[in-house]
Amino acid sequence: DAGITQSPRYKITETGRQVTLMCHQTWSHSYMFWYRQDLGHGLRLIYYSAAADITDKGEVPDGYVVSRSKTENFPLTLESATRSQTSVYFCASSEPGLLYNEQFFGPGTRLTVL
Amino acid sequence: KQEVTQIPAALSVPEGENLVLNCSFTDSAIYNLQWFRQDPGKGLTSLLLIQSSQREQTSGRLNASLDKSSGRSTLYIAASQPGDSATYLCAVVGDKIIFGKGTRLHILP
Repeated sequence: DAGITQSPRYKITETGRQVTLMCHQTWSHSYMFWYRQDLGHGLRLIYYSAAADITDKGEVPDGYVVSRSKTENFPLTLESATRSQTSVYFCASSEPGLLYNEQFFGPGTRLTVL
Repeated sequence: KQEVTQIPAALSVPEGENLVLNCSFTDSAIYNLQWFRQDPGKGLTSLLLIQSSQREQTSGRLNASLDKSSGRSTLYIAASQPGDSATYLCAVVGDKIIFGKGTRLHILP
């Protein structure tokens, strides 16, 4: 199906473990984004990518790593998970042009770090 | 530093009423402003995007306005329906994208 998908939808892990959240889009959108959503903070941008092999930091990048070897995939890795990274993570994509054109969001991944 | 505020945090209105949601921002140097809807446990759905050169955008029963000089945007929902119940977020795009914390809307049948 066309659209933007995230996996897993739910994940429980322990402090110190590495976790990778996957994001896949079928529109061939140039831009892709990772956000986290926390009560009291709203949505905050972690990383974004303008094209394959081009990534840049957002507002809260510490503790996260991204890569984009293919246009359609934009995985987010927590190298050593901490409890403060418990959150709901959203991936989004948008068409080329202005960086923040209309964005299309995935369903989210709820991550719990114990 | 851009700050985006949405007041009220929650709102309940009877079905059929027209309503206005507010979004205010502190820095008028923006490229665009976006309104989203978020249903519980779901991702965000884009509703309207207003470019900085525009004053308003309309889609069906929704109308969004933008006044950069006063740092305000409003989302007008006409003839509200129970299906409009959701959280509505605005996002201001300047050199960064900054989201408001949202207004949780409940339409009473």
